[in-house]
Amino acid sequence: GEDVEQSLFLSVREGDSSVINCTYTDSSSTYLYWYKQEPGAGLQLLTYIFSNMDMKQDQRLTVLLNKKDKHLSLRIADTQTGDSAIYFCAENGTGRRALTFGSGTRLQVQP
Amino acid sequence: DAGVIQSPRHEVTEMGQEVTLRCKPISGHDYLFWYRQTMMRGLELLIYFNNNVPIDDSGMPEDRFSAKMPNASFSTLKIQPSEPRDSAVYFCASNWQGTTEAFFGQGTRLTVV
Repeated sequence: GEDVEQSLFLSVREGDSSVINCTYTDSSSTYLYWYKQEPGAGLQLLTYIFSNMDMKQDQRLTVLLNKKDKHLSLRIADTQTGDSAIYFCAENGTGRRALTFGSGTRLQVQP
Repeated sequence: DAGVIQSPRHEVTEMGQEVTLRCKPISGHDYLFWYRQTMMRGLELLIYFNNNVPIDDSGMPEDRFSAKMPNASFSTLKIQPSEPRDSAVYFCASNWQGTTEAFFGQGTRLTVV
């Protein structure tokens, strides 16, 4: 079945770059997503990448996709305390309507 | 649009009681999803609907759980009888045919004591 794996926790200092990693098993995924969840809130879409791309940049966010290794990463440049949240990667395989989510990576930004 | 609206935001109930969670999807969205988030299992899909029809309910944990979508603007997730292990945050999400991006509500935090 489909599986999405993430490390559970990452701690960085304010101003540093953060890199959150994700691996997935379904090679038919057409889109891969990064969602952010702040405390007590729902999930909000941060960015996404189409499976035929290997990189996407959006302001401080850079998404890298290695389709051969089924590895997705999210880099946040100049990490701020407001970036502290849980970050989920998600994918949809061909023919599947619902997204499959990883377990989430809790990012803690130290001042 | 106000986004996906869920109610209540918090629910505390005693074991054995019936619990009903509510969701109003974004207007014009024809897919609706119910997810459950726990520390142990992360975010799990319970069921999803297309045009008010349940398409995949394989994630519904057991017969105590049921979901309905009587019209395009309303869905319920019912647990009867509730148990302490049902304590979790339940999210509703919606989208439309042209995207697989899911738009999430704020969630309902359920505590069963």
